Amino acid sequence: QQQVKQSPQSLIVQKGGISIINCAYENTAFDYFPWYQQFPGKGPALLIAIRPDVSEKKEGRFTISFNKSAKQFSLHIMDSQPGDSATYFCAASKETSGSRLTFGEGTQLTVNP
Amino acid sequence: NAGVTQTPKFRVLKTGQSMTLLCAQDMNHEYMYWYRQDPGMGLRLIHYSVGEGTTAKGEVPDGYNVSRLKKQNFLLGLESAAPSQTSVYFCASSSWTGANTIYFGEGSWLTVV
Repeated sequence: QQQVKQSPQSLIVQKGGISIINCAYENTAFDYFPWYQQFPGKGPALLIAIRPDVSEKKEGRFTISFNKSAKQFSLHIMDSQPGDSATYFCAASKETSGSRLTFGEGTQLTVNP
Repeated sequence: NAGVTQTPKFRVLKTGQSMTLLCAQDMNHEYMYWYRQDPGMGLRLIHYSVGEGTTAKGEVPDGYNVSRLKKQNFLLGLESAAPSQTSVYFCASSSWTGANTIYFGEGSWLTVV
């Protein structure tokens, strides 16, 4: 059973556009929600993360929006650049569980020049 | 700055053969993890360890064994490889302070024929 569902599976945007990736989770005990960025041939790297006590977190062009009641969170990439082309994973964990992450299925983002 | 190092990076096995993947971290992290990544399924936790000499099952442990004899090393073993174990394997480590300290290795590509 997939406890974290991610959509879309793939996304193509034009340079300068906004990329939006959505995730939904089932386990209300999750208390940490990171997004990872993965380039081909590399391991995932932490991009930005949020905890459920806030509804939004922004770091540069990257923003997480969090809706606790709907059990959903999303990643917004403003002014998308070709260098942002990568696979993005949402994840969730319970900090008391030894930091074990449950991942979404991943989104392949392509930003066209 | 090595971080998390995985060996080997690529391996082709015949069905029924055995092998061991080695993960080494130089950050003095307490926790270590093995994930597998398959298309459309994100990363799934195989086994993890919360300290030297400890191991525990993750989401998809069948067909794998692990050992953590030294704090810096976490070994993943396949006793009798099956084609279903063709995947990309990622090791990760984190400190006890939380999932925001997780670092991933660059992956090991395993093909079972």
